[in-house]
Amino acid sequence: AQKVTQAQTEISVVEKEDVTLDCVYETRDTTYYLFWYKQPPSGELVFLIRRNSFDEQNEISGRYSWNFQKSTSSFNFTITASQVVDSAVYFCALSLRGGSQGNLIFGKGTKLSVKP
Amino acid sequence: DADVTQTPRNRITKTGKRIMLECSQTKGHDRMYWYRQDPGLGLRLIYYSFDVKDINKGEISDGYSVSRQAQAKFSLSLESAIPNQTALYFCATSDLFGTEAFFGQGTRLTVV
Repeated sequence: AQKVTQAQTEISVVEKEDVTLDCVYETRDTTYYLFWYKQPPSGELVFLIRRNSFDEQNEISGRYSWNFQKSTSSFNFTITASQVVDSAVYFCALSLRGGSQGNLIFGKGTKLSVKP
Repeated sequence: DADVTQTPRNRITKTGKRIMLECSQTKGHDRMYWYRQDPGLGLRLIYYSFDVKDINKGEISDGYSVSRQAQAKFSLSLESAIPNQTALYFCATSDLFGTEAFFGQGTRLTVV
C-alpha cells in the first residue's frame, strides 16, 4: 500500500528562521513522483515541485529547497529565511507511474505559521 | 481562463438537499478526480474517472455519485447532503502517468 506521512501537524516559527517540513513516503513501486503543494489561507492548491524517483538531485528555488533521499524514503522541504507570506498548509503527495489510479496520495499536511 | 474550473466556489445547503458540484477542464486530460479536504486529514479521493466510460470509487465514495458528461466535464453529486459532508472539495485532472496534476480552485460546501 502507498502512504505519505507528514508527522508535523503544525509548526510555528519567527520570521527569518529556517524551517524544514518533513515528508516520508511508502511504496513498493520503483517509478513514482513526489510533489509538494502549498495551500494558503485562501484555499487554493499551489504546485511547488515535482520530483521523479530516478532523480535524487536536491533542488533549490529561491528560498525553497528540497532534499530527496530514497534510502530513507523522504522528501523534505526547507524554507530559508521564512517570511509571513509563507504561512500556509503544505502538502506532500505521491503519484505512481502506471498505477491503476494515477491519482495523488496526500499526506495530512503541515500547517506553518510564520510570526513577524 | 483557469485550466480546471469548479462551480460553485462556495455553497451553503440544507440537510437532505441534493447538490451538484461541477468541474470542467481545458487540459485535454482523460483522467479526472474529485477530492475532499477536511482539516487535519489532507485530501482524500472520492471518485476518479479515466475516460467518459470509466468511473471508479475512491477511498470515501459513500454518499456521493459522479457523472462524466464529456472528456472535459466531471460532476460530483450529493444526493442527500448531510452535515458531515461539510468540507472543501477539489476537482483535478492528470496526464496518463500521473506526472502532473492540475487542481481547481476548490468548492467550500457547508451543509446546515
